[in-house]
Amino acid sequence: QVTLRESGPALVKPTQTLTLTCTFSGFSLSTSGMCVSWIRQPPGKALEWLARIDWDEDKYYFTSLKTRLTISKDTSKNQVVLTMTNMDPVDTATYYCARGGGEVGAYYFDYWGQGTLVTVSS
Amino acid sequence: EIVLTQSPGTLSLSPGERATLSCRASQSVTSSYLAWYQQKPGQAPRLLIYGASSRATGIPDRFSGSGSGTDFTLTISRLEPEDFAVYYCQQYGSSPLTFGPGTKVDIK
Repeated sequence: QVTLRESGPALVKPTQTLTLTCTFSGFSLSTSGMCVSWIRQPPGKALEWLARIDWDEDKYYFTSLKTRLTISKDTSKNQVVLTMTNMDPVDTATYYCARGGGEVGAYYFDYWGQGTLVTVSS
Repeated sequence: EIVLTQSPGTLSLSPGERATLSCRASQSVTSSYLAWYQQKPGQAPRLLIYGASSRATGIPDRFSGSGSGTDFTLTISRLEPEDFAVYYCQQYGSSPLTFGPGTKVDIK
């Protein structure tokens, strides 16, 4: 059974760095073809893909946020970590991690975590 | 970046009716790499359709997807009470992955 769970602070101040952890089970990120992405959703708005890390350590970022994002993995702990620097109130959103399904390089999201709401406010 | 447009923004229907949701891409979606998700309030999205027309595991056959190129459709043949939700399309053939703005299916 595949499960993912996000964890991290519910509240961060503007200019701070956000660190989110995705802990998963039911698959291994050392398996060829596996990947995990982070996606966010501002309140009442649509989904926005942020970053992806592949089994082979390849990393991909949403272009406009690339300078603020870092994604990493700890295969032994079954965890993926996302950091986002210089947080702003517009970054207030529910942040999801999701497993990539499909072919290598062409991934939809077949399993999602429940999401964690992050509010950016002083 | 491929921009996805969904229509209508809101679809008001009664249980038992047929729902037809549209997703249009600003350029051709590679190899019909188009997925549909359902999201209910307070929940994560759930994968319904991938590859434009393949149902995900456990998805009832009242959900079907079709289309290619720039025009895609999600059809719910007969709405059940649990189907009232927001539906998003997503293309995964080109980077960056992009989502549409969603169509809300609500009870008439």
